[in-house]
Amino acid sequence: DAGVIQSPRHEVTEMGQEVTLRCKPISGHNSLFWYRQTMMRGLELLIYFNNNVPIDDSGMPEDRFSAKMPNASFSTLKIQPSEPRDSAVYFCASSGDRPPRGYTFGSGTRLTVV
Amino acid sequence: AQSVTQLGSHVSVSEGALVLLRCNYSSSVPPYLFWYVQYPNQGLQLLLKYTTGATLVKGINGFEAEFKKSETSFHLTKPSAHMSDAAEYFCAVSKETSGSRLTFGEGTQLTVNP
Repeated sequence: DAGVIQSPRHEVTEMGQEVTLRCKPISGHNSLFWYRQTMMRGLELLIYFNNNVPIDDSGMPEDRFSAKMPNASFSTLKIQPSEPRDSAVYFCASSGDRPPRGYTFGSGTRLTVV
Repeated sequence: AQSVTQLGSHVSVSEGALVLLRCNYSSSVPPYLFWYVQYPNQGLQLLLKYTTGATLVKGINGFEAEFKKSETSFHLTKPSAHMSDAAEYFCAVSKETSGSRLTFGEGTQLTVNP
């Protein structure tokens, strides 16, 4: 298994531009999580999908952030318009359900907004 | 609600010394417990997990953790630190009845001095 695949690994964009981060979870996993990690705020859960349905998006910072999971093998996190304070490492993780196996994390996307 | 407290955001040990990273949890139901490690510029990687059965759990790279229900603790230990153990370590808890969702601690940065 190739693990959780995120793309791109690095993204540098100008303020105001749209940014799309992509994630392919492990086949057979039915839960998908998007996290953001910064030095100041640590690891923050942004949104959580179960069986492709958003269950909890209370961590999404504001309306500029949106996430979709059109099918079991693909998810996107979009920021529009991007701002410098969005600079962070964004992780995607997936998990099976029973018994809890823990998450498998992707390698992350390092986003820099200038 | 469940929560995790990691005592000490930074721990420093000498190479060859005992590593002890502390984790206490709060859960109203029997928990599943996890330790993750994050090396620089990488995603989180599962070190070990406790679900049921033996309370002393062994993980990768010589780490182990013991589930102590009476103390609501799940401390991570390694008898002899190696330089390559320098990383950030996260403790996480999942409620047995909640499926796969994890609650993470704030993380502990481990420094290993030569």
